[in-house]
Amino acid sequence: GAGVSQSPRYKVAKRGQDVALRCDPISGHVSLFWYQQALGQGPEFLTYFQNEAQLDKSGLPSDRFFAERPEGSVSTLKIQRTQQEDSAVYLCASSLVGSLRETQYFGPGTRLLVL
Amino acid sequence: GNSVTQMEGPVTLSEEAFLTINCTYTATGYPSLFWYVQYPGEGLQLLLKATKADDKGSNKGFEATYRKETTSFHLEKGSVQVSDSAVYFCALGGSARQLTFGSGTQLTVLP
Repeated sequence: GAGVSQSPRYKVAKRGQDVALRCDPISGHVSLFWYQQALGQGPEFLTYFQNEAQLDKSGLPSDRFFAERPEGSVSTLKIQRTQQEDSAVYLCASSLVGSLRETQYFGPGTRLLVL
Repeated sequence: GNSVTQMEGPVTLSEEAFLTINCTYTATGYPSLFWYVQYPGEGLQLLLKATKADDKGSNKGFEATYRKETTSFHLEKGSVQVSDSAVYFCALGGSARQLTFGSGTQLTVLP
């Protein structure tokens, strides 16, 4: 159907709160990626799923970050005990099979502000 | 590891001027190269891509050629328009599947 969608679009959290960010990929896309984009910077990789399997989580900055995709479609990125340095735009992208030559399609992002 | 170095901005041009945004990369193997664009208030969109050496990607008047000998993928457009004002990101797709991005170049085109 439509493109990648993310919710919420904006989230304000107090330091120490837990947050959950949702991504709905393009229907039928096997691969799903999460990126973090700090202000004025390019996106940086966090984690990668192929179907429900999390194949790479090398970019997650700490054990406070956790991602899941239990049914191989919708994914949730959870950040526990948020810190101010977690403030960023969190981008989700999907691709059909995840080959390195494929285009990744990005959602609009969730802008997280931790106060 | 993989890395992308992109021309720093901001870049301000007059309408119909020639645009070049430089991008060089470091990678092992045979990566794919991409230019993504982010218009104000919108998400990242693919502008063009090239998947092997000497390939030229093109779209909307923009072009970039994958140069393995100089490890470059410079973005060019012969005549920019006000509507091209956006942030442009060079990115590399390597064997690890995820994209490695440059820091972005803000382009403003004045009428």
